[in-house]
Amino acid sequence: GAVVSQHPSWVICKSGTSVKIECRSLDFQATTMFWYRQFPKQSLMLMATSNEGSKATYEQGVEKDKFLINHASLTLSTLTVTSAHPEDSSFYICSATTADLAGYYNEQFFGPGTRLTVL
Amino acid sequence: AQSVAQPEDQVNVAEGNPLTVKCTYSVSGNPYLFWYVQYPNRGLQFLLKYITGDNLVKGSYGFEAEFNKSQTSFHLKKPSALVSDSALYFCAVRPFNTDKLIFGTGTRLQVFP
Repeated sequence: GAVVSQHPSWVICKSGTSVKIECRSLDFQATTMFWYRQFPKQSLMLMATSNEGSKATYEQGVEKDKFLINHASLTLSTLTVTSAHPEDSSFYICSATTADLAGYYNEQFFGPGTRLTVL
Repeated sequence: AQSVAQPEDQVNVAEGNPLTVKCTYSVSGNPYLFWYVQYPNRGLQFLLKYITGDNLVKGSYGFEAEFNKSQTSFHLKKPSALVSDSALYFCAVRPFNTDKLIFGTGTRLQVFP
């Protein structure tokens, strides 16, 4: 159980184009989804927190107009990198979590990641 | 500021020997503690977590971790390393009453045959 998928697993695009990455929780309903960015040989950097039906909360320094997040349902969140540039090339990882009835959050379950290369 | 430290960029160990990957944290209150493993070009896989209770937590693939409140540490251990354990390991902390994870910088474990 607790499987999270991402699509696509890798994408190459030209500078100036937009790229959409999907994150799905396959066997559970995720109250919250997170988007991370990972640079080579570095840790995960949280970009934003996404709750179904509400606007995403972005971390300091993350451009919300650049990285559009939509959380349309309890099983799907999307990250759109708008007008991508080579410096946006990175490994993007999503995760999903649920909260129990008492409001305590369970562990995050991570997707396999999407490697974005902008030429 | 809240933070997680993994002081070793890389840990090398011979197959069959015990391994330890260190993690210390600086978080107010009683945090939840996690270990994740990442294989090349893959997402993170959950290994184990500490919420409360017994300080020694057992997880997947024979890994365990010991929570030490006085030293604010949560070191990952395994009695006998396998070559297939070679991967990148992340310690993470979730402060109480928040859903965000704070990750350490990761430790690359290399197990030699």
